[in-house]
Amino acid sequence: KAGVTQTPRYLIKTRGQQVTLSCSPISGHRSVSWYQQTPGQGLQFLFEYFSETQRNKGNFPGRFSGRQFSNSRSEMNVSTLELGDSALYLCASSLINEINSPLHFGNGTRLTVT
Amino acid sequence: KNQVEQSPQSLIILEGKNCTLQCNYTVSPFSNLRWYKQDTGRGPVSLTIMTFSENTKSNGRYTATLDADTKQSSLHITASQLSDSASYICVVRDDKIIFGKGTRLHILP
Repeated sequence: KAGVTQTPRYLIKTRGQQVTLSCSPISGHRSVSWYQQTPGQGLQFLFEYFSETQRNKGNFPGRFSGRQFSNSRSEMNVSTLELGDSALYLCASSLINEINSPLHFGNGTRLTVT
Repeated sequence: KNQVEQSPQSLIILEGKNCTLQCNYTVSPFSNLRWYKQDTGRGPVSLTIMTFSENTKSNGRYTATLDADTKQSSLHITASQLSDSASYICVVRDDKIIFGKGTRLHILP
């Protein structure tokens, strides 16, 4: 069974631009969540989607948004990029009952903002 | 504020030795506590998951313990191997998901 796939693997953008990251979950997984990982803050929860609906949201500004499609694939968008948005963005998928299921992470998209 | 604190920040041990990583949390109650392993350049991989009522959970050479009274969890690695070099992240779930900042483990040959 294929794992969680994130594209692109690396991305370089300049301040003020916007970016869209993509995530394909494990087949059969309907929950997709997104995380930001930086050396200073570690992993931080961005948002979680299930059946195209946002179920939970972390403490990030409105510049960070996401969506989930009917095939469970998900995208996240960051608008008006800032230098501090440079990070590894991780996507994870899980079965319906996420509470008792481990998160399956992709290998992330490394975003660098210059 | 609910927090998850891990110690030590980094650890260096020789191949074949055992080690124990610590996780202290203030989240209470919680749904589950998980330990993840993250290799450099890769996403985290689940090692163990424990509910509030469980005391210990093993996965091969990895054994996690949980003391709900003292709000502490530990991850014990037995007979370490070079491939154990990674970051180990403690994660606690209540209505939100809260990550520790991880322990960076280096195994020397």
